[in-house]
Formats: sequence, structure tokens, C-alpha cells
Amino acid sequence: EVQLVESGGGLVQPGGSLRLSCVASGFTFSNYAMHWVRQAPGKGLEYVSSISSGGTNIYYADSVKGRFTISRDISKNTLYLQMGSLRAEDMGLYYCVRLSSAYFYDYWGQGTLVIVSS
Amino acid sequence: EIVMTQSPATLSVSLGERATLSCRASQSVSINLAWYQQKPGQAPRLLIYGASTRATGIPARFSGSGSGTEFTLTISSLQSEDFAVYYCQQYNNWPRTFGQGTEVEIK
Repeated sequence: EVQLVESGGGLVQPGGSLRLSCVASGFTFSNYAMHWVRQAPGKGLEYVSSISSGGTNIYYADSVKGRFTISRDISKNTLYLQMGSLRAEDMGLYYCVRLSSAYFYDYWGQGTLVIVSS
Repeated sequence: EIVMTQSPATLSVSLGERATLSCRASQSVSINLAWYQQKPGQAPRLLIYGASTRATGIPARFSGSGSGTEFTLTISSLQSEDFAVYYCQQYNNWPRTFGQGTEVEIK
């Protein structure tokens, strides 16, 4: 069974940093590209960042470019999102998502909540 | 960036009735369109990909159609467990973009 379990969310002050993690199981992690998608409270879904299966191709939404860094550790089956210079508009639930071989999102984690507030 | 527009924002439907949800792309996305269902407090779940292919385990009452810029998700006979928010997403271009969602509520 495919499982994606996020952690690392919490309360952080504006301008602060946070590192999110997503532990994957039930599939060969190294074979799949992985994405982060977020959802502000009561709002819709927004693509944040993605990393290819081999880790060489990395993309970011314009809204987070230069502030967030995505990475993966194949030995630990773990996806990361290092978030810096956090703003109120970064607040929300962050989902770890697996990209299928046909490029749609086939599995989602339960999300980890990031709250940016002083 | 491709803008995805869903309509209506809210759809009020009775149990057993048919629901039709629309999604429009600001430019062609071919058939690279997926639909997701999200219930309160839960992560989104894949329903449809390739505009019309049901994901594993999705009941036959869910169907998708369309190509290019116009897409439709149809729920043929609404069940109580179908009341949720539905999102369309294009995966033809970067960045991947979602519609704002259609909430299907009980009439």
C-alpha cells in the first residue's frame, strides 16, 4: 500500500524557517517524481514545487522561488521542503504528492499544517 | 500560466440526482486533465485522469469527458458519500494548475 506521511509543520514567525519531511512507503521511491502542493485555509490547491525521480530536475512556483528548496534522500525514502523567509500567505496545509508515470497526481499524503504568525 | 475555471462554485443536488461539473482551461491542455475529490478534513483523492479514465476503485457513476479547453465531470446518481469539493487540474503545462473547486452540497 502506498503511503506518504508528512511531518515538520508548526507555528513559525514571519521571516522564519521550517523544514517539512515526507516519508514514502509501499513503492519504489527512486522511480517517481514527487511534488509539494499546498492549500491555504478554506482555499483551493496550489502547486509549490517538484523534483524528478533522480533529483536533477527541480521546479518551483513563482510564489516560493528563492525561498523554498526541495530535495530528496533516496536512502531514507524521504522528500523534503526547506522553507525560508516565511510569509503569512505561505500558511496552509502542505501535501506531499506522488506524480504518476503519466504525470497526474495519483497518491497524496494527509498533509502537514504550517502556521505563520507572530 | 494556464488558468483553470470551474463552474458553478457550488452545486446543490438531491440524493440520486445527476450532477454536472464544468472546468474550462484558458488554453488547450489536450486531454491532460485530472479530477480530484476532497472531503472535509481529508486529502484530495484522484477520480479521473486523461480527462475520461476512472482511477482505480472509482465507481462507474463518475465519468469525465472533454478535450482541449472544455471538460465535464458527471456524477450520474449522487450518493451521500459524494458530497465534497471537486477540483480539476491540468498537467499539460508548467506550472500545474488547479481550478478553484466546485462544492457539491445536499439540496
